[in-house]
Amino acid sequence: GIQVEQSPPDLILQEGANSTLRCNFSDSVNNLQWFHQNPWGQLINLFYIPSGTKQNGRLSATTVATERYSLLYISSSQTTDSGVYFCAVLYSGAGSYQLTFGKGTKLSVIP
Amino acid sequence: DTAVSQTPKYLVTQMGNDKSIKCEQNLGHDTMYWYKQDSKKFLKIMFSYNNKELIINETVPNRFSPKSPDKAHLNLHINSLELGDSAVYFCASSQVLSSPLHFGNGTRLTVT
Repeated sequence: GIQVEQSPPDLILQEGANSTLRCNFSDSVNNLQWFHQNPWGQLINLFYIPSGTKQNGRLSATTVATERYSLLYISSSQTTDSGVYFCAVLYSGAGSYQLTFGKGTKLSVIP
Repeated sequence: DTAVSQTPKYLVTQMGNDKSIKCEQNLGHDTMYWYKQDSKKFLKIMFSYNNKELIINETVPNRFSPKSPDKAHLNLHINSLELGDSAVYFCASSQVLSSPLHFGNGTRLTVT
């Protein structure tokens, strides 16, 4: 099956700093999504980004499908950005589908 | 207006019991899912239904059985609960399999 690796596993930032989270995947995918799980456990869909670049406020994401990676940029981080960031891919092969999540990047933003 | 709602939010039960978690979505989506998140926060898909038909069925014990009475509902029944079933279970939906996922708030299951 497809492998999804996220880096770094943990990240501590001072409020106001910028960061880049990375998601690598081992095969061609049908789509890629980024999620934020807040400290209360809620999973929020940030981006649906099978390719190209999207921006939403202080967050932006870029997926380079041909090179099998995606990046999530967080600018001017705030304490409310803390939580775990997951990327997830949809892979189809051998007549079946796999929806696979990476293990996440745990972000802690300190004041 | 909650888009994907699951009940209960917390479920504490003893080993050997049978329990159910309910999920409903009001987004008009065709596809629904169950995910399990373990203590290390790893999210793994268990099942996916499209218009009441099972389309993804990962390797989970037969004690877990999804039931979809209509495309807006996907319930999860768990028989003979074991300690290792303790986790947070998330329901999700999407318009179709390749569309953005919308998650419920999760059900924290604790088996004692």
